[in-house]
Amino acid sequence: AQSVTQLGSHVSVSEGALVLLRCNYSSSVPPYLFWYVQYPNQGLQLLLKYTSAATLVKGINGFEAEFKKSETSFHLTKPSAHMSDAAEYFCAVSSTGNQFYFGTGTSLTVIP
Amino acid sequence: NAGVMQNPRHLVRRRGQEARLRCSPMKGHSHVYWYRQLPEEGLKFMVYLQKENIIDESGMPKERFSAEFPKEGPSILRIQQVVRGDSAAYFCASSPQTVETQYFGPGTRLLVL
Repeated sequence: AQSVTQLGSHVSVSEGALVLLRCNYSSSVPPYLFWYVQYPNQGLQLLLKYTSAATLVKGINGFEAEFKKSETSFHLTKPSAHMSDAAEYFCAVSSTGNQFYFGTGTSLTVIP
Repeated sequence: NAGVMQNPRHLVRRRGQEARLRCSPMKGHSHVYWYRQLPEEGLKFMVYLQKENIIDESGMPKERFSAEFPKEGPSILRIQQVVRGDSAAYFCASSPQTVETQYFGPGTRLLVL
C-alpha cells in the first residue's frame, strides 16, 4: 500500500526566504516520487521526480527535493521564494505506474 | 507537441443529467489516467486505461461512472444521473508508458445544480 502525507496544508514565507514543503511517503516497494505544482484553475505541472537515481533531484524554477529512505521523506525546497511561487503543491508516490497517490496538497503563500 | 487536452473546461449539469468529459492524450502517449479533485483535497485516482482496455478501475465508483479509450478518438469519462456530490474538477493525465511521468490536462470543472 502506498500513501503520501504532506505536513502543513498552508505555508507562508517571505519573498526571498527559504521554501520548505514537507512530504512523507509510505510504500512497500521502492517508490517513484513526484512533486507537482498547481496554479489556480489549471492542471498540475511537474516540478521534479525521483526514480531511483540520484537522491538529490533538481527541478524547474529552482526547486529541488531530496529522497531520504531512512526518513521516508521527499521534502521540496527552494533557497529563495519568489512571488510567482505562490501556488498549490502536491507530492505523489507511485510504484506500479498504474496510479499515483497524491497528498492533500500544501498551499504556499509568498509575502512581499 | 500539444499537451494533454480536455474539454469542456467547464460543465454545468442539473441533477439527473449525464456528463461527458473528454481527454486527448499527448501525441505518442497510449496510457490515460483519470483523477477527481474535490475542493480542498488532493487528487484521487479513478481509472487507468490503454487503447481499448481498462487496466485499473479500482478508484471508480461502482455505479453511474464509466470510462473508455477507443482505438480512435479521445478518452471519455461518462457520469450518468449526476448528483451534487459529483461536482469536482476532473483531471486527465497521460504517459508514454507505465512508471513514467504523468502529464496532466487543465481539467474539467463539473458543477451539478
